[in-house]
Amino acid sequence: AQSVSQHNHHVILSEAASLELGCNYSYGGTVNLFWYVQYPGQHLQLLLKYFSGDPLVKGIKGFEAEFIKSKFSFNLRKPSVQWSDTAEYFCAVNGRTDKLIFGTGTRLQVFP
Amino acid sequence: EAGVVQSPRYKIIEKKQPVAFWCNPISGHNTLYWYRQNLGQGPELLIRYENEEAVDDSQLPKDRFSAERLKGVDSTLKIQPAELGDSAVYLCASSYSIPGSRGRTEAFFGQGTRLTVV
Repeated sequence: AQSVSQHNHHVILSEAASLELGCNYSYGGTVNLFWYVQYPGQHLQLLLKYFSGDPLVKGIKGFEAEFIKSKFSFNLRKPSVQWSDTAEYFCAVNGRTDKLIFGTGTRLQVFP
Repeated sequence: EAGVVQSPRYKIIEKKQPVAFWCNPISGHNTLYWYRQNLGQGPELLIRYENEEAVDDSQLPKDRFSAERLKGVDSTLKIQPAELGDSAVYLCASSYSIPGSRGRTEAFFGQGTRLTVV
């Protein structure tokens, strides 16, 4: 069965620090990978996605993620976080169907 | 353009009572999802519709949960009777899926309905 693991449950950073959130998935075939973000009081929204091609994908607000097939990973990165990046981040995967499987999420707090 | 609209935003009910949630997806989206998100967890799929057809309801507790999507547009999710463990946020999402797209679609989420069963 497909599963997604996010090992960082709660991350606290100061503004301008670099960010990397881990995401590992378990699936035996080709996958599509997503990062969603949920800002306080708002709905889930797509940050970035990977379907194929260049394994380094760029999303909104300066975020990027790298797909490493050999490690079954899709880590999210941002070189310099801002206070407005405080949110919950969810990694998700589907195995070429529309059935999205989500990780448990990482809560990011950024302090000025 | 309006996003996915859910109502109500909040619902508090006593256990054993029925409850219903309503979802209006983005216009033109043929795929609709209901997810449940427990506190501190990621969303878990309950049911997925392609147009009117429920194509994946393996995670829906069918003894007490039911869902329908009439005319392939709006959808309702019902719980009867509710149990304490049903307290969660119920999320609706929609997407436009092209046959053969192999999951390369973006799901758009509503604000969710926060259910508290007391």
